[in-house]
Amino acid sequence: AQSVTQPDIHITVSEGASLELRCNYSYGATPYLFWYVQSPGQGLQLLLKYFSGDTLVQGIKGFEAEFKRSQSSFNLRKPSVHWSDAAEYFCAVGIQGGKLIFGQGTELSVKP
Amino acid sequence: DTAVSQTPKYLVTQMGNDKSIKCEQNLGHDTMYWYKQDSKKFLKIMFSYNNKELIINETVPNRFSPKSPDKAHLNLHINSLELGDSAVYFCASSRLTDYNEQFFGPGTRLTVL
Repeated sequence: AQSVTQPDIHITVSEGASLELRCNYSYGATPYLFWYVQSPGQGLQLLLKYFSGDTLVQGIKGFEAEFKRSQSSFNLRKPSVHWSDAAEYFCAVGIQGGKLIFGQGTELSVKP
Repeated sequence: DTAVSQTPKYLVTQMGNDKSIKCEQNLGHDTMYWYKQDSKKFLKIMFSYNNKELIINETVPNRFSPKSPDKAHLNLHINSLELGDSAVYFCASSRLTDYNEQFFGPGTRLTVL
């Protein structure tokens, strides 16, 4: 069965520090992978996506993610976190029929 | 110029009532979705419509009935509301090319008392 696992429920980083959010997926076919961000009381905004090609993808707000097929991972990174990055982050895999399977989310807190 | 809009943003109601949530998209997409986000923030798809035709129907109680009057609108009607229906409901839209990104609305927080 298809699934997405985000092992870290909550992460706290200091402002200016680097960030890595982990995502592992289980899907038998070529995965189509997404990272979304949800600010408090808001909808989901797409940060970046991977369909094919270069395994390192760039997104909005300075985020990037690397697809590693051998590890079934799609980790999200940012070199320097800003206070405004505090939010809930969701990894998702797109499967046949247009369905998105989401991970449980990782809540990011940023210390001043 | 909101891409995907939902009304209402908040909905507080009593158990047993019937309520509707409306969703509209102005992106020209042909596919729309409803997701439920529970209290632990877990997101799960409920329904998907393509050009007014139901294409995804997860194991959702039949008290939930989606209705798509045209491809720009997808409404969610819930009968006989229960406490467990309390959640945030998100509408989304995309072009139906299997793996296209979905654009989400701001959500409707439903509280059943």
